[in-house]
Order: sequence, then structure tokens, then C-alpha cells
Amino acid sequence: AQSVTQLGSHVSVSEGALVLLRCNYSSSVPPYLFWYVQYPNQGLQLLLKYTSAATLVKGINGFEAEFKKSETSFHLTKPSAHMSDAAEYFCAVSQSGGYNKLIFGAGTRLAVHP
Amino acid sequence: ETGVTQSPTHLIKTRGQQVTLRCSSQSGHNTVSWYQQALGQGPQFIFQYYREEENGRGNFPPRFSGLQFPNYSSELNVNALELDDSALYLCASSPRTGSSGANVLTFGAGSRLTVL
Repeated sequence: AQSVTQLGSHVSVSEGALVLLRCNYSSSVPPYLFWYVQYPNQGLQLLLKYTSAATLVKGINGFEAEFKKSETSFHLTKPSAHMSDAAEYFCAVSQSGGYNKLIFGAGTRLAVHP
Repeated sequence: ETGVTQSPTHLIKTRGQQVTLRCSSQSGHNTVSWYQQALGQGPQFIFQYYREEENGRGNFPPRFSGLQFPNYSSELNVNALELDDSALYLCASSPRTGSSGANVLTFGAGSRLTVL
């Protein structure tokens, strides 16, 4: 069975600091991995996805994530946080060949302070 | 292109009642999925519809049911509401292509259901 673990339900950074949100997955088959962001009172918006091409994936708003099979990780990073990055971030996994069932982690709430 | 729209945005029901939530998929998308997001948790897969048929289901009881219409819009119905059904219900649409697992889901803003 597939699963996703997001370490840290809350992360707080200063504006301009590095953002690192952690995600570890479990999958018995090659996974597809996604990061979504959710702003208050909104749905989920795709940041980036990994589909077995390049292991370093660049997304929107300056975010990127690196797929590390040996560590079963897909951590999300951004070199310099902006106030507008404050939101809830979800890591999700789906499996190749399957239908679009996403399994989400519990989420990490990112706070950015001046 | 229009995105995914859901209605109503908020509603309050009492235990034992029934509720219907509606979703219009993004233009060009033929697959609709529903997710339940309880407070402080990640979304959980309820079911998916493709070609007007259920195409996969998560760990939800039969009182959760759905429909997909020829225009690809969809409904989620929940009967005999329980307090634990209070959540944000998210609809997502996607195109159906060869490698379905890689397809990106486009989410609506959700319907927030409160059961008293």
C-alpha cells in the first residue's frame, strides 16, 4: 500500500530564508509524486510533479523538489521565502498505470514572518 | 479555460439528513474525483467517475454515492449524515490519458459541510 509522511505539521521561517518541507513516501511500484499548495478558503493548486523523468523537478513560484529513491523522499524547497508563500502544503503519491487516486500526507502549514 | 466549480460553498445539515454537492469539471476534462478533507488533515479519496461510471473507490461506506453526467459534471450524495462527515469536500477533474496516474488533478475550492 502507498502512503505519504510529511514531517512537521507546522514550519515557520523568516522572509528570505530557505524553505524546506519534508515528504517521505512508501510505494511498492514506481510512484508519481506531487506537491500541492492550499491557500485559505481555496482548493489545492499544483506546485510540481515527478513522473520518472528528471529527479530534480522545478515548479511554480520558485519551488523545486528532488526525488531520492534511496531515501524514499521528495522534499520541497525554495531558496528564499516570501510572505505570500504562507499556506498549507501537501505531498501526494499515485502509482503508475493506475487511475488518478492521490494519497495525500497530512500537510505542513508554512508560516513566514518578517 | 474555466476551472472546476463547486456548489454550494458552505452548508449546514443535521444528523440523519441527506446532502448533495455539485461539481462542474474543467473544460476538456472527462474524469472527476471527490475527496474529503477533515479539519487539519490531508484530503482522502472518496471515489472517481469516468464515462458516467464509478472507476475506483476509497474506504468510504455506501451511503457516499455519486453521479457523473454526460457533460462530465458530477454530484456527491451523502445519506444519513453523521457528525464525522463534517469536512471540506473537494472535487477534482482531470483528462483521461494513457498513464492515468501521472495526470494532474485540477481542484475546485470545495464545499464545506457542517453536520450538527
